[in-house]
Amino acid sequence: GNSVTQMEGPVTLSEEAFLTINCTYTATGYPSLFWYVQYPGEGLQLLLKATKADDKGSNKGFEATYRKETTSFHLEKGSVQVSDSAVYFCALSDQGTGNQFYFGTGTSLTVIP
Amino acid sequence: EAGVAQSPRYKIIEKRQSVAFWCNPISGHATLYWYQQILGQGPKLLIQFQNNGVVDDSQLPKDRFSAERLKGVDSTLKIQPAKLEDSAVYLCASSLVYRGGAEAFFGQGTRLTVV
Repeated sequence: GNSVTQMEGPVTLSEEAFLTINCTYTATGYPSLFWYVQYPGEGLQLLLKATKADDKGSNKGFEATYRKETTSFHLEKGSVQVSDSAVYFCALSDQGTGNQFYFGTGTSLTVIP
Repeated sequence: EAGVAQSPRYKIIEKRQSVAFWCNPISGHATLYWYQQILGQGPKLLIQFQNNGVVDDSQLPKDRFSAERLKGVDSTLKIQPAKLEDSAVYLCASSLVYRGGAEAFFGQGTRLTVV
């Protein structure tokens, strides 16, 4: 079946530190991969996505590369800011299952000044 | 472009009562999802509509949950009777096209507390 496993949190970093949040997936078909972000009191917002192997999604300084050989989609940012504090969700959608989205459990990030 | 609208934002009810949530997706979006997000967990799909037809409701507890999508636009999710374990955030999302790689847009959610 389809599932997503992501790094347990919470993660606390100092401003300007390097961020990595690990995400691995299991899929029966050829999924598209996503990172969503949830700021306090708000809904989920798309951060970036990749639709095929070796694609790199990027947005707001965040990057993630679709690695089919390791079934991974790790989120990275070179220098985090206080405003990046949020919960990050890795997700996949599989057209073979009607484009249903499968989410990881989320990783809470707190950036301190 | 207006986003996905949900109401109410918060609801507190006693167990065994009923409750309904409403969702208005982004105009023109054919696919609509309802997700349940329990505190500390990722969203779990309850039901997915394509226009006004159900694509997947395999994880919907049908003895107490029901959902409908009127004329392929707005949707309501109902719980009757509610249990303590139904306390969660209920998220509605919509997607423009029924294909892989299409982004899902989420509403702010309804936080339900069952006491």
